Amino acid sequence: QLQLQESGPGLVKPSETLSLTCTVSGGSISSSSYYWGWIRQPPGKGLEWIGNIYYSGSTYYNPSLKSRVTISVDTSKNQISLKLSSVTAADTAVYYCARQYVGNPGFDYWGQGTLVPVSS
Amino acid sequence: QLVLTQSPSASASLGASVKLTCTLSSGHSSYGIAWHQQQPEKGPRYLMKVDSDGSHTKGDGIPDRFSGSSSGAERYLTISSLQSDDEADYYCQTWDTGVVFGGGTKLTVL
Repeated sequence: QLQLQESGPGLVKPSETLSLTCTVSGGSISSSSYYWGWIRQPPGKGLEWIGNIYYSGSTYYNPSLKSRVTISVDTSKNQISLKLSSVTAADTAVYYCARQYVGNPGFDYWGQGTLVPVSS
Repeated sequence: QLVLTQSPSASASLGASVKLTCTLSSGHSSYGIAWHQQQPEKGPRYLMKVDSDGSHTKGDGIPDRFSGSSSGAERYLTISSLQSDDEADYYCQTWDTGVVFGGGTKLTVL
């Protein structure tokens, strides 16, 4: 059974960089069949796509966040990572990682998510 | 620019059926979409993908009460024999030059 688990600091200060890791178990992140993505959800709001990465390192970012986002993959650890720079309170959200089958319009497996408050 | 439009809310009675709609913006009626369910205080769960021809493929463990269909630029999620734990937010999603989500529909089971 595929499982995705987000991890990272529980609190980030304004202007700092938010860093999260997603560890994949029960499947290989090196498969050519999948993209791996980051999605966030501010409290009480809808889902917002942050970006996707392919095992080769090719990335696709939401244009509205592109200037502040870096997504990377570590195949040796079966992990993907997210860095979001210059955060503000508006970046407070639950952050999810998820898997998307190439050719499928949607993510088919999701992590449980991790809440990241941005506050001084 | 591809946009997915969903009604903000829907309601139906326990044991009844409900049909939720996701509408693709003009020029994108050939796109397939995915449906996700998000129960209160939980993460999203993948339900199915729905293709433009109306065929649908469900995710692991999704009950037969959930089905998908299409008509033109509209993609549907039908839930039959509604149960109390079907009360949730439902999101549609697709892929163009990147991932696009609809705004979500909050389903209330009366």
